[in-house]
Amino acid sequence: DGGITQSPKYLFRKEGQNVTLSCEQNLNHDAMYWYRQDPGQGLRLIYYSQIVNDFQKGDIAEGYSVSREKKESFPLTVTSAQKNPTAFYLCASGAPGGLADTQYFGPGTRLTVL
Amino acid sequence: AQSVTQPDIHITVSEGASLELRCNYSYGATPYLFWYVQSPGQGLQLLLKYFSGDTLVQGIKGFEAEFKRSQSSFNLRKPSVHWSDAAEYFCATISGGYNKLIFGAGTRLAVHP
Repeated sequence: DGGITQSPKYLFRKEGQNVTLSCEQNLNHDAMYWYRQDPGQGLRLIYYSQIVNDFQKGDIAEGYSVSREKKESFPLTVTSAQKNPTAFYLCASGAPGGLADTQYFGPGTRLTVL
Repeated sequence: AQSVTQPDIHITVSEGASLELRCNYSYGATPYLFWYVQSPGQGLQLLLKYFSGDTLVQGIKGFEAEFKRSQSSFNLRKPSVHWSDAAEYFCATISGGYNKLIFGAGTRLAVHP
């Protein structure tokens, strides 16, 4: 069954802790993305990776870090430097289609800071 | 800079009624446009996309959208809404060489029985 999986579905973090959100895809897509969603807002890009061992900052990268050691995996770490990390986090992977990818999304991880 | 505007924050329709969700984009050349749907607490599901060609695009779940360059619009339509269509709908466009998605703020659809 092809798709994108994210774990955990719910995550609780104490102040000052780093947490890592998992994203795995078996669609053989080169590109992967992390978005953040806040209530009443659209999605905002945190980081993206177009190929293994390479990634770039998006619009709101401060307080986050990523790695891309395998094509299938793109984990996101929310560090203690992120001032307001409570949000819904969505991972996507991109299927190439000429000049633009079509992005497919995982089910999301809801992070709450206690 | 490219942007997408969804003028309606909330829309309520009766089950069986027709639906049109509005989306306006700002971009000089032909944009790449998408509609996604999100049920509460879930990820986004792609409904349809427009890259080029026929301006009327068919998607999943009985949805269609029409690209109108003269109006800078890409409105989503469905002839008869089902209660299961209640969700939030996002219009998006591609920006830049790395395929960054620019999202509208979303339209929340409620369906009355």
